[in-house]
Parts: sequence; structure tokens; C-alpha cells
Amino acid sequence: EAGVAQSPRYKIIEKRQSVAFWCNPISGHATLYWYQQILGQGPKLLIQFQNNGVVDDSQLPKDRFSAERLKGVDSTLKIQPAKLEDSAVYLCASRPVISTDTQYFGPGTRLTVL
Amino acid sequence: QKEVEQDPGPLSVPEGAIVSLNCTYSNSAFQYFMWYRQYSRKGPELLMYTYSSGNKEDGRFTAQVDKSSKYISLFIRDSQPSDSATYLCAMRSGARALNFGKGTSLLVTP
Repeated sequence: EAGVAQSPRYKIIEKRQSVAFWCNPISGHATLYWYQQILGQGPKLLIQFQNNGVVDDSQLPKDRFSAERLKGVDSTLKIQPAKLEDSAVYLCASRPVISTDTQYFGPGTRLTVL
Repeated sequence: QKEVEQDPGPLSVPEGAIVSLNCTYSNSAFQYFMWYRQYSRKGPELLMYTYSSGNKEDGRFTAQVDKSSKYISLFIRDSQPSDSATYLCAMRSGARALNFGKGTSLLVTP
């Protein structure tokens, strides 16, 4: 079974630029999560999708972050404009629709904002 | 106060030692408790999952949950250098997203 795919793996941008990350979850997984992991911290949820609907985006900085999950499969997370404090690893995870608690994580995208 | 507290370490032990990792939490609604292992530059990987109080064993790993004390533990027996990683505790209530601790960095030296 293929795992969660993310791209790019690394991205370096200057502050005020825009950036987008892509995630392809495990086939058949209805729930998709985006987490932000700052160095030395645990992952923090940004947004949770169930199919293509948003379940929880309470911690998403909506003035600069946006996310979509068209057709309930792939998802993109965008930051516009980026700030220095956005430097982090952005992790995508997916979970089957059946109520197992296992979230499968992708390798993450490491963003550096200069 | 953060909902989940975890000592970040680092923790350094010799090969073969028993490792004890733990987390405390404040939200009594948490029902599901997990331990993830994260190697450098990789995503977290689920190690153990427990529901409610009690023990669960899987090979060299044992997870314990004490809901009355709001305390969870992960024990690693016969630790190996390949166990060197960051260990994240995570927990949630109902269908909500996971709340993670900061992670404990573990180094097992040969």
C-alpha cells in the first residue's frame, strides 16, 4: 500500500512570497489533515477535511493560509504572504473513513522563510 | 497550561536499557492515546494506540494509560540504537484531531 505523498520535500522562500504544498493521501482515506510542526514542537493541526468538506479549521491563520481538497482526494495548502514564523515542517496525514484512530503521516515539506 | 505536557529531553541511554517516556494531560475528555515515533526528517509513525486506561504490549514496547492521574507512559525494553528518534505522545476525544506533546528526543548509544 502506497503511503501519503507530499511535495515538494523542501522549499526556501523570502518573506512576503507565496508558496503551495501538495498532498496525495492513501487511496480510499476520507479524512485528511494538515499539521504544522515547528522545530522542537509537536505537530499542530491546521485543518481537517472529511472528503472535500472542512471539519475543523479553527487554528488555520485564514488571513494568509488557505487549503482545499478538490474531489475529496488530493489537497493543497497555500501560504500568501509568508512570514518568518511560518518556517516549519508541514505534515499531511490521512485516515480511513472507518473509525480507526490510525493517522498515516507523509514525510512532510520543510519550509524555510528568509 | 498546554493540554499535553511532555519533557523534550534529550534522553540518552546505553543499548539494552529500559526506557521510560511519559506525558501528562489536563483534558479529562481525552479517550484515545497514542505514541508516535519520528525519525529525523521523516513523518511521525504510529507505534502504539490505546483506548482508556490500562496496559498494552507489542513486542519490546508497552504503553500504559492512567486516566485517574492523567498520565501516560511508553516503555521500551532492550533498547536498540535504531530506537533513537523523537517520541511523540498524542491524544484526542471523540472524533476530534490529535493533540500532540512536544516530543522526547531519545538517543540509544551502542
